[in-house]
Amino acid sequence: GIQVEQSPPDLILQEGANSTLRCNFSDSVNNLQWFHQNPWGQLINLFYIPSGTKQNGRLSATTVATERYSLLYISSSQTTDSGVYFCAVERSFKTIFGAGTRLFVKA
Amino acid sequence: DAGVTQSPTHLIKTRGQQVTLRCSPKSGHDTVSWYQQALGQGPQFIFQYYEEEERQRGNFPDRFSGHQFPNYSSELNVNALLLGDSALYLCASSTGGAGTEAFFGQGTRLTVV
Repeated sequence: GIQVEQSPPDLILQEGANSTLRCNFSDSVNNLQWFHQNPWGQLINLFYIPSGTKQNGRLSATTVATERYSLLYISSSQTTDSGVYFCAVERSFKTIFGAGTRLFVKA
Repeated sequence: DAGVTQSPTHLIKTRGQQVTLRCSPKSGHDTVSWYQQALGQGPQFIFQYYEEEERQRGNFPDRFSGHQFPNYSSELNVNALLLGDSALYLCASSTGGAGTEAFFGQGTRLTVV
């Protein structure tokens, strides 16, 4: 099956810093999404991005499907950005999640 | 527009019992997927239901079964509960085509004692 690897596994930032999270996947996919999981377990949709680049405020994402990776950029980080960020890919109606990047933003 | 709703939010069961979790999809969605998320891990795909049939399944034993109703809502049933079934169970809804965007409910936290 498809393997999804996220890096780094853990990240500590000072408020205001920028960061890049990476997601590598081992085979072609129909879909790629980025999620933020809040402390209560809710998965919040950040980007639906099977290919190309999208931006939403301080967040942006780029997926290069031909090279099987996606990047999530967080600029001017805030304490509310803390939590776990997941990349998930879908192929043949099965969605595979990475292990996540645990982000902590210090005030 | 109501999002994906799951019930109950928390549940405590005894080893060996059976449990049923429920999910109502987002308005306009006809596909429901279920996931198990153990503490500190990413969600693991259990199965997906479309047109009241199981369309795809992950690597879970037959103790995990499901159902989809004509109104697209879904149930996840787990029989013969084990301590290792303690987890957050997430439901996601989407439209029927491949590669469409999925939206998640708030989850049901199951504790098996």
